Amino acid sequence: EPEVTQTPSHQVTQMGQEVILRCVPISNHLYFYWYRQILGQKVEFLVSFYNNEISEKSEIFDDQFSVERPDGSNFTLKIRSTKLEDSAMYFCASSGLVQEGQPQHFGDGTRLSIL
Amino acid sequence: AQRVTQPEKLLSVFKGAPVELKCNYSYSGSPELFWYVQYSRQRLQLLLRHISRESIKGFTADLNKGETSFHLKKPFAQEEDSAMYYCALNNFGNEKLTFGTGTRLTIIP
Repeated sequence: EPEVTQTPSHQVTQMGQEVILRCVPISNHLYFYWYRQILGQKVEFLVSFYNNEISEKSEIFDDQFSVERPDGSNFTLKIRSTKLEDSAMYFCASSGLVQEGQPQHFGDGTRLSIL
Repeated sequence: AQRVTQPEKLLSVFKGAPVELKCNYSYSGSPELFWYVQYSRQRLQLLLRHISRESIKGFTADLNKGETSFHLKKPFAQEEDSAMYYCALNNFGNEKLTFGTGTRLTIIP
């Protein structure tokens, strides 16, 4: 069964540094998402991406965050200048046509630790 | 605003006993409800969704619009059911999934 893959599984970064989290969505999916989960808290929506542009974003997704689909397979989340509070598990997800109620499939996540 | 409430953070049930994980929601629109499961060291996996009306691994969930609930049930718990369970909601045709805080289910042998 096709899966969403994320790299790296764990990223340790100094505060203030830029970090890029990578995802390879399921190949025939059209919608791509990032969620995060701070330790002990709920999974929170960050952003959705369709047709090469952001279709929805949450209040968390401020100017420090950006997403990109640099080629036909990768989907990346960049945090420009990391803060301690960015430490969390970041999940990528993808889905088929939202209008048809296609469910979201999640990757294993990247654990981001900011020092 | 969309919100999902899972009142139990932890739930322990003996093997063979019935399981019910509670989920209540608030929404503005046409909701679609999901249960996701996360087994130890594994990814979030879709368990079931209300529009499918399926039974997966013996679990069922019925959408009760009057009570705004989508409780997950299984008549006889098995040890392999131990996992973290998340209830989630979106407005049909909308991308954003709103999750509850999750319930950690432990099945006691």
